[in-house]
Amino acid sequence: DAKTTQPTSMDCAEGRAANLPCNHSTISGNEYVYWYRQIHSQGPQYIIHGLKNNETNEMASLIITEDRKSSTLILPHATLRDTAVYYCIVYSGGGADGLTFGKGTHLIIQP
Amino acid sequence: DVKVTQSSRYLVKRTGEKVFLECVQDMDHENMFWYRQDPGLGLRLIYFSYDVKMKEKGDIPEGYSVSREKKERFSLILESASTNQTSMYLCASSPHGLTYEQYFGPGTRLTVT
Repeated sequence: DAKTTQPTSMDCAEGRAANLPCNHSTISGNEYVYWYRQIHSQGPQYIIHGLKNNETNEMASLIITEDRKSSTLILPHATLRDTAVYYCIVYSGGGADGLTFGKGTHLIIQP
Repeated sequence: DVKVTQSSRYLVKRTGEKVFLECVQDMDHENMFWYRQDPGLGLRLIYFSYDVKMKEKGDIPEGYSVSREKKERFSLILESASTNQTSMYLCASSPHGLTYEQYFGPGTRLTVT
């Protein structure tokens, strides 16, 4: 599976949009981009995933560049409860495999 | 709303005890997973199951076993607990064909003394 690169940490003001970037320049054509987050002392939480089209759900939007080498997770109106470590992973699907998280981005929402 | 529950939030056991960790999901998901998470080591897969009575070893199955008698329930068993099994244990489930869309329980922090 392709490797991803994310900034170590980011700050965002409460109420503003939080934009979290992810580079996955070696992604292959059948690999999806997935985003998870983990709030301190809680289990990871699935956020969203996509293949090549932009996706939106009740939690976030996922913007994937046309060449699919990078993506951005957007939390439209960040709240203090969005403070967490956010993980971007790529995976081709199929097979019951376990998740493997990199170091992720520690997003801190400032009041 | 998707829900995965785990039997205990915190658990303290003695070395050599047999430990049962229960996980229940209410989404009718085919796939279920047990992970442990340790600082600096990240998330590691212990066992997973893609159907009732089916199980597959993950990356670190030694010292653990699992049971899946019903679709909604996946149990992790520590046959003889040891101090190096002190960890956060996380259960997850996912629908068939969307293996990486996993929904996690709150975790059980197990301490073995």
